[in-house]
Amino acid sequence: GQQLNQSPQSMFIQEGEDVSMNCTSSSIFNTWLWYKQDPGEGPVLLIALYKAGELTSNGRLTAQFGITRKDSFLNISASIPSDVGIYFCAAPTGANNLFFGTGTRLTVIP
Amino acid sequence: DGGITQSPKYLFRKEGQNVTLSCEQNLNHDAMYWYRQDPGQGLRLIYYSQIVNDFQKGDIAEGYSVSREKKESFPLTVTSAQKNPTAFYLCAVMGGNSNQPQHFGDGTRLSIL
Repeated sequence: GQQLNQSPQSMFIQEGEDVSMNCTSSSIFNTWLWYKQDPGEGPVLLIALYKAGELTSNGRLTAQFGITRKDSFLNISASIPSDVGIYFCAAPTGANNLFFGTGTRLTVIP
Repeated sequence: DGGITQSPKYLFRKEGQNVTLSCEQNLNHDAMYWYRQDPGQGLRLIYYSQIVNDFQKGDIAEGYSVSREKKESFPLTVTSAQKNPTAFYLCAVMGGNSNQPQHFGDGTRLSIL
């Protein structure tokens, strides 16, 4: 099935730095979702976006629904060690399923 | 996520053996999903079910089977026909309309003995 293109694939950053990642598609979506997966656990929903141009925050996390509806961005400010994990974007297929991005693996160096 | 229980957490399969992974939810959601995740990879859809007694194949259904006899339960059987079953298996549920997020269980890690 179709997958969303996430970049970067992996990131190594120093604790305290800000992080930016994005997700792009050739298709238009009405919803963008961002999940975080800790090692050995299931993904947990971080932020849901429902409107083009929408900017939503959840603590140190901020996500934006691209104005073209073909992309979304996730920023993490002042990273801490527990931010380590894999971040996935997702968007609905229209058939009650989700397309998932390929994931961005974040490593935070103390 | 709370309300979605996957068991067991770890499972070992012998060659030629069928094994069944459990997924139970108490969220009263209609739609349930099974995904496979290989190391360092994203999620691939195996099967999904929108309502009781109905289910659909996903992208990688070969070697797997499911049932949906109750709203709360969506077990996945990894059959002996699945030649490379070692992976992390995730169950998800979704309520409401198609724009609602899916919520995941904590996963089952399956390994071959």
